[in-house]
Parts: sequence; structure tokens; C-alpha cells
Amino acid sequence: AQSVAQPEDQVKVAEGNPLTVKCTYSVSGNPYLFWYVQYPNRGLQFLLKYITGDNLVKGSYGFEAEFNKSQTSFHLKKPSALVSDSALYFCAVSSTTGANNLFFGTGTRLTVIP
Amino acid sequence: GAGVSQSPSNKVTEKGKDVELRCDPISGHTALYWYRQRLGQGLEFLIYFQGNSAPDKSGLPSDRFSAERTGESVSTLTIQRTQQEDSAVYLCASSFKTALNYGYTFGSGTRLTVV
Repeated sequence: AQSVAQPEDQVKVAEGNPLTVKCTYSVSGNPYLFWYVQYPNRGLQFLLKYITGDNLVKGSYGFEAEFNKSQTSFHLKKPSALVSDSALYFCAVSSTTGANNLFFGTGTRLTVIP
Repeated sequence: GAGVSQSPSNKVTEKGKDVELRCDPISGHTALYWYRQRLGQGLEFLIYFQGNSAPDKSGLPSDRFSAERTGESVSTLTIQRTQQEDSAVYLCASSFKTALNYGYTFGSGTRLTVV
């Protein structure tokens, strides 16, 4: 079975501070991991993915995520948050032995305070 | 088109009525997915189409839900005899080949409200 946990419903950070949005996963086989962002009144947008290779993945808008196999985590990070980063963030997983669809977490609402 | 297009963007229907939701994927995307997003919850997988292969219907919650897609074109999701628990945002996504290597492109969704 495949599942994703985003333990924090909400994350608040001050503008300019580093941000972290947490994600842990459970899959059989090797994981494919994704982060998507949903801005207000807009569809979900792809941010970044981990398939194989370097554990640190860089994506759109200055975001990055680190794949940690021992901790089964794929936390999203950004060194300096912008007010415009305020949105709903979803972690998603699939696996090499699973179906082609992605399993999504429940989402984390990020608020960057000016 | 440039993106995944869904219509209508909003739909209010009476309990017991049938509704049809439409998704127009990006041209050339062979894979198409339907998800449901209930308020405060994550995305719930409903159905997956890949080219002309038989669809993966494993996520459909009941036999009131069905979806069709002809080839690599438009898909319709039909909900018969709607119930209040069907109220949600229904999201469509398409992908070139499979989402595993190329990721999804999502539409803006259809917000369904059953009253």
C-alpha cells in the first residue's frame, strides 16, 4: 500500500525566514516523490520530483526537497520565504511497483507573514 | 490547448440528479486522471485512462460514478443520483505518457455542490 503523511495542516513563517513543509511516505518498492502547490483559485502546479539519483532535488520558484530513505521523508524547503509563497502544498508518492497514479497527502497550508 | 480545461467551473445540483463533468486534456497527453478533493482533505484518486487501454477504475467510490474517454481526447465524469457527500472539487489531470516521469498538469477543477 502507498500513503503519504503531511503532519502539519498549517505552517506559518515570517518573510525572509527559511521554511520547511514536512512529508513522510510509505510505499512498496522504490518511491517516486512529488510536490505540488495550489495557489488560491488556481489549479495544482508541479513544483519538483524525485525519481532517482541525487537526494537533493531543486524545483520551481527556489524550492528544493531532500529525499531521505532511512527516514522515509521528502521535506520541502526554501531558504528565504516570500509572501507570494503562501499557498496549499501537497506531497505525492507513487512507486516502481505501484500503479501509475499518485497518492496525495492532505496538504499543508503555508502562510508567509510580511 | 495550452492547459487542462475543465467545465463547468462550478455546479450546484439537487440531491438525486445526475451531473456530468468535462475534462479537456493537453493535446498529446496520453494519460488522464480524475481526482476528488473534499473540503480539508487530500486528493482522492478516482480513475486513470492511458491511451486506448482499459481504464483503472479502482478509485471510483460507488457504481454511481463512471467516466469515459475516447482515445486521447476529452473525458467526462458522470455522477448519477448525486448525494450530499459527493460535494467536492473534482480535479482532472493529464500527463504525457505516465505521471511518474513527467508529472501531472492539473485543471482548475469543477466545484460540485449537492443541495
